[in-house]
Amino acid sequence: AAGVIQSPRHLIKEKRETATLKCYPIPRHDTVYWYQQGPGQDPQFLISFYEKMQSDKGSIPDRFSAQQFSDYHSELNMSSLELGDSALYFCASSLRLAAYNEQFFGPGTRLTVL
Amino acid sequence: DAKTTQPTSMDCAEGRAANLPCNHSTISGNEYVYWYRQIHSQGPQYIIHGLKNNETNEMASLIITEDRKSSTLILPHATLRDTAVYYCIVRVAGGNNAGNMLTFGGGTRLMVKP
Repeated sequence: AAGVIQSPRHLIKEKRETATLKCYPIPRHDTVYWYQQGPGQDPQFLISFYEKMQSDKGSIPDRFSAQQFSDYHSELNMSSLELGDSALYFCASSLRLAAYNEQFFGPGTRLTVL
Repeated sequence: DAKTTQPTSMDCAEGRAANLPCNHSTISGNEYVYWYRQIHSQGPQYIIHGLKNNETNEMASLIITEDRKSSTLILPHATLRDTAVYYCIVRVAGGNNAGNMLTFGGGTRLMVKP
C-alpha cells in the first residue's frame, strides 16, 4: 500500500538560510499534518490542512509557513533558520471524514542547521 | 484532549506479553483511546484505538476499564522489533472535527530484551 512520502529525507542548512520540506499524502487522503520532533523530545504538532485550507495551528514559529496544493501535497517553508530548528519533521495524512481518522506518518525529514 | 499518564519505561522479555498501562481519568464520553508507537527516529505508527469495548487487531489488544479511566495495551508475544516508545492519546475521533491533531507526551519506552 502507498504510504506518506516526504522529501528530502535529510537536509543540511546554515543559520539564516531557508528550507522547504515536501509531503505527499496517501492517495485520497485530504488532510495533512506537520509535526516537529527535537532531539530527545516527543513530536509536537505544528500545523494542519484540510482540503487545501489551514485547519489547525500549533506551536509553529512565525518564520515557518505551509500550504497544501491542489494535488493535496503540502510544503513546509522555513526561513531564517536557527540552530534550534534542527529536528525531525514528520508529515502525516488522514481522511477527515473517515470513521476514526487515523493518521499515517511519513518517514520524516531530518533537518540539521549548522 | 484529556491528559494521559504512562510509566516512563518498561522492560519485557522477548516472547512474553507486554502490558502497557495508561491512565486517562478525565476522559470525556466522546473521546477515544488511541495508541501509537515510535520506533527509534521513525514516523509514529498507529496501533489500535477503542471507545469502551476491548479491541484486538493483528498488532495488539486494547483493554479499557469499565469506567474508561484507564486502559492497557497488550502486545501478546513481544519481539525485539517491538522496542519503541508507546504513546497513549485520548482524542475525539472522526467527523469534521477541528483539533484532530495528535498530542504526544509522556509515552512509555518499552525495551524488549532477549
